[in-house]
Amino acid sequence: EVQLVQSGAEVGKPGESLKISCKGSGYTFRYWIGWVRQMSGKGLEWMGFIHPGDSSNPVYNPSFQGQVTLSVDESISTAYLQWTSLRASDTAVYYCVRHIDNRGNSGGRYFDSWGQGTLVTVSS
Amino acid sequence: QSVLTQPPSVSAAPGQEVTISCSGSDFNIGNNFVSWYQQLPGTGPKLLIYENYKRPSGIPDRFSGSKSGSSATLGITGLQTGDEADYYCEAWDTSLRAAVFGGGTKLTVL
Repeated sequence: EVQLVQSGAEVGKPGESLKISCKGSGYTFRYWIGWVRQMSGKGLEWMGFIHPGDSSNPVYNPSFQGQVTLSVDESISTAYLQWTSLRASDTAVYYCVRHIDNRGNSGGRYFDSWGQGTLVTVSS
Repeated sequence: QSVLTQPPSVSAAPGQEVTISCSGSDFNIGNNFVSWYQQLPGTGPKLLIYENYKRPSGIPDRFSGSKSGSSATLGITGLQTGDEADYYCEAWDTSLRAAVFGGGTKLTVL
C-alpha cells in the first residue's frame, strides 16, 4: 500500500526557519513528490514538485517561487518543504502528494496519493 | 480567484444524483486531462477521478467524470450522507506551468 506520512504540526514565529517532511513507503520512491497548500477554510493550491532522481531541479509554481524550497533524500524516501523566513501568511495545512505522470502513455498527470497533512502555524 | 471555476455549493436528497461543473480554458482543461478530488470533513483530499473519467480502484461507479471542450463535470448518483464533502477539480495549466485547482464545491446531502 502506498503511504505518504508527514511530520507533525509545527508552530513557528515570523522570521524563523522551518522544514517539514514527507516519508514515502509501499512503493519505489521514484515518483514526483509535490506539495499542496490549504489555508484555513480555503481551497487547494499546488506549490511545486520534485523528482527523487533529479533533486537538483525542483519545479515550482511561479506563485511560490522564492518563497519555499523543495528537497528530497532518496536514501530515506523522504521529501521536504522548507521556509527560511516564515510569515503569518504561511499558516496553513500542507499536503505532500505523489504525482503520476502518464504523458508518456498518452495519459495525464494527477495526484494519486496524499499525505495526512501538516499544520503549520506562524504566530508571534 | 481560482483558475478553474466551480459552483461554491450544490445539494440534493439522499438517493438522488448531482453534477458539479468545472470551467476552465484552452490553457488547462481544453488541452489537458482533468482530475477530481474528494475532501471529507476534517480529512485530506483523495483522488476520485483521473484522466477525465477513470476511477481509481475502490471508487464506486456512482462517481463519474466527463469533459467537453474547456469544461468538465463530476457526476454522483445514488447520493449518500457519506458523500458530503468538498470536491475539487484540477488540471495542468500550460500557460502558468502549474497544476491548478477549482475553488471547490461543497456537497450537502439533505
